[in-house]
Amino acid sequence: TQLLEQSPQFLSIQEGENLTVYCNSSSVFSSLQWYRQEPGEGPVLLVTVVTGGEVKKLKRLTFQFGDARKDSSLHITAAQPGDTGLYLCAGENLPDSNYQLIWGAGTKLIIKP
Amino acid sequence: EAGVVQSPRYKIIEKKQPVAFWCNPISGHNTLYWYRQNLGQGPELLIRYENEEAVDDSQLPKDRFSAERLKGVDSTLKIQPAELGDSAVYLCASSWTSGAYNEQFFGPGTRLTVL
Repeated sequence: TQLLEQSPQFLSIQEGENLTVYCNSSSVFSSLQWYRQEPGEGPVLLVTVVTGGEVKKLKRLTFQFGDARKDSSLHITAAQPGDTGLYLCAGENLPDSNYQLIWGAGTKLIIKP
Repeated sequence: EAGVVQSPRYKIIEKKQPVAFWCNPISGHNTLYWYRQNLGQGPELLIRYENEEAVDDSQLPKDRFSAERLKGVDSTLKIQPAELGDSAVYLCASSWTSGAYNEQFFGPGTRLTVL
């Protein structure tokens, strides 16, 4: 069974600080997605990483896919209150996964002004 | 382009009552998902449709849950009778699975409270 473990489960920091959250597995994924979910809303796709070692940047957010495609990290520089939310990672391993995503439990991030 | 639409946004019912949720996916998306999400957790897949066909309903509690997507567009998820443990957010998502990756687009969800 493929599992994705996210850490930390909860993180509360001050505005302006940097942070990194992790998404780890013992399984290989063909692609991995990061979503952000704000209270009362559905998850919104931030990025998809597909190549081992790949780094993608989205403004102050930097996403990295591990060389072995088993793990990923999300680094936020100079966090802002608008970054507050639940960050979810989800992986798939085509064609075995039959288009089903494996979801992590999420990291709840609170940025205090 | 309109996103995934869900209704109602909130529903409060007493246990043993029936409840139904509706979802209209993004136009052109052939795959529709129903998820259940408990507070602070990731989504758990209940059922996945490709067009009209339910291709994965292994996680759907079939004794009380049912779903349909009759014309391959909008979908309804029903619970009858509801139990206290069914309180959660029910999310609908859609995707175009002929694309390179299974990138899913979510609706805002229906928050169900069973009293």
